[in-house]
Amino acid sequence: AQKVTQAQTEISVVEKEDVTLDCVYETRDTTYYLFWYKQPPSGELVFLIRRNSFDEQNEISGRYSWNFQKSTSSFNFTITASQVVDSAVYFCALSAPYSGAGSYQLTFGKGTKLSVIP
Amino acid sequence: DTGVSQDPRHKITKRGQNVTFRCDPISEHNRLYWYRQTLGQGPEFLTYFQNEAQLEKSRLLSDRFSAERPKGSFSTLEIQRTEQGDSAMYLCASSPGQGGVMGNQPQHFGDGTRLSIL
Repeated sequence: AQKVTQAQTEISVVEKEDVTLDCVYETRDTTYYLFWYKQPPSGELVFLIRRNSFDEQNEISGRYSWNFQKSTSSFNFTITASQVVDSAVYFCALSAPYSGAGSYQLTFGKGTKLSVIP
Repeated sequence: DTGVSQDPRHKITKRGQNVTFRCDPISEHNRLYWYRQTLGQGPEFLTYFQNEAQLEKSRLLSDRFSAERPKGSFSTLEIQRTEQGDSAMYLCASSPGQGGVMGNQPQHFGDGTRLSIL
């Protein structure tokens, strides 16, 4: 069974501060994929990043960066110099090719609500 | 790329009524998913189609729920004899891919249908 834990329910930061959102996952599969999605108040889930289990390189995209550590089963997400537009709920998710009928269904965490205060 | 489209955006109905939601995936995507999201939770997987074949159903999908994807294009999700506990956001997602380890591509979500049971 897969499980994703986002221990931080809500975080508030002042604009321009850096913030890290934590994600810890559990799976018995050796091949799996990790994702981050953003859900703004409008409701649509927006894909941010996908990492596979055999690529532990960290990734940076503009103000966003991701730290994947298999040894601690963590896939943390950092926003540098946060902006008001970053305010949203952020979900970490996991999928594995050999779970179920090969559907790659996503198992989501409960999400972290980020509020960036101007 | 017009994105995943869901209709209606909101549905209010009385307990015991039947409701049907529609999802139009991104045109070249052969994989289609339905998820349910309740307040303060991450989305939970309901069912998966590859083309017109429904290949996986979650235990969350009771006998009152049925989904179809005729001709492998749009999909419908029907809930019969609605109950209070069915109140949620129903999300549709699609992705390309034919399966296998390399078949996992990010899922793109629609805006969802919010169901309220009176």
